Amino acid sequence: GAVVSQHPSRVICKSGTSVKIECRSLDFQATTMFWYRQFPKQSLMLMATSNEGSKATYEQGVEKDKFLINHASLTLSTLTVTSAHPEDSSFYICSARDQEGAYSPLHFGNGTRLTVT
Amino acid sequence: DQQVKQNSPSLSVQEGRISILNCDYTNSMFDYFLWYKKYPAEGPTFLISISSIKDKNEDGRFTVFLNKSAKHLSLHIVPSQPGDSAVYFCAATAKEGYQKVTFGTGTKLQVIP
Repeated sequence: GAVVSQHPSRVICKSGTSVKIECRSLDFQATTMFWYRQFPKQSLMLMATSNEGSKATYEQGVEKDKFLINHASLTLSTLTVTSAHPEDSSFYICSARDQEGAYSPLHFGNGTRLTVT
Repeated sequence: DQQVKQNSPSLSVQEGRISILNCDYTNSMFDYFLWYKKYPAEGPTFLISISSIKDKNEDGRFTVFLNKSAKHLSLHIVPSQPGDSAVYFCAATAKEGYQKVTFGTGTKLQVIP
């Protein structure tokens, strides 16, 4: 149980274009999903919290107009990197809990490797 | 401000021996701690967790120890197997604001056959 699916696993795009990444909870409903980013040899950094039916909450320093998040249903959240630039190249990972509450682990998708040329 | 620290970026252990991965934290509000395992180009996989009311939690070959006074936790893997070779992340969260999980920088474990 508690499977999170992320698509695509890898994407290469040209500078200035937009890229959409999908995150689905396959066997549970998630009112909240979390988007992380990982740069090489660094920790996972929380970018934003995606809330079903309402606006996402962004961490300090993350541009909400650049990283558009939509959480239209209880099983799907999308992250759109708008007008991508080479510095946006990174590994993006989504996650969700299958149980509410403080003492339940996050389950992660397999991540999306974004390369902007 | 790195609130969760893994000071050893890498560790090599012989197959069959014990692997000990360490993690320190600075935020005294943290009360739930997790360990994740991550292979390259994949998302992290949850391994084991511990809440602050305990000092030890065991699951098969994996045991996590928590020393609250020292703000230190460790993951013991015994016996280590080549398939355990991966990057291990320590993570922490607080009951207040539990939605946010803070990760350490990871320790790359290599188990040598």
